[in-house]
Amino acid sequence: EVQLVESGGGLVQPGGSLRLSCAASGFTFSYYSMNWVRQAPGKGLEWLSYISSSSNTIHYADSVKGRFTISRDDAKNSLFLQMNSLRDEDTAVYYCTRDATGNFDHWGQGTLVTVSS
Amino acid sequence: EVVMTQSPLSLPVTLGQPASISCRSSQSLLYSDGNTYLNWFQQRPGQSPRRLIYHVSNRDSGVPDRFSGSGSGTDFTLKISRVEAEDVGVYYCMQGRHWPPFTFGGGTKVEIK
Repeated sequence: EVQLVESGGGLVQPGGSLRLSCAASGFTFSYYSMNWVRQAPGKGLEWLSYISSSSNTIHYADSVKGRFTISRDDAKNSLFLQMNSLRDEDTAVYYCTRDATGNFDHWGQGTLVTVSS
Repeated sequence: EVVMTQSPLSLPVTLGQPASISCRSSQSLLYSDGNTYLNWFQQRPGQSPRRLIYHVSNRDSGVPDRFSGSGSGTDFTLKISRVEAEDVGVYYCMQGRHWPPFTFGGGTKVEIK
């Protein structure tokens, strides 16, 4: 069974940093591209970042470009999102998703990031 | 950036009755490989999103056959043939043809009358 488990969320002050992790299991992680998607409270879904299976290709949404960094460790079956210079508007639940046949076929349960002073 | 427009915003439905959600994209989602990269997701209250449909009309494993997707080019529809209580939630369409960025519709909230 495919499982994606996010962690690392929490309360952080504006301007601060957090590193989110996504632990993958139930599939050969290294074969798949992965994404981060977020959802602000009471709002819709926003794609943030993509990383290819080889880490050769990386993309970011304009809203996080230059502040967030996606990475992966295939040996540890893990996906990461380093978030710097956090703003109030970054408050959201952050999901990791697998990219396969179509897009975003599996999602984690999400981790909540709250940016507030 | 491709804009995805869903309607209606809210959809009150009687149990056992059909429901239909529309999604329009600002550009064609047909790719040269012959696939159209349009997905539908369901988000039940308090849960993470779950993909229901990919490539316009292909149901994911475990998705009841009362859910069906149709459409082509820029105009798509998700239909629920007979709404059940467990179908309550927000439904999103998403395009994967012209990326980055991947873009989602604003969501349609399905509720029971």
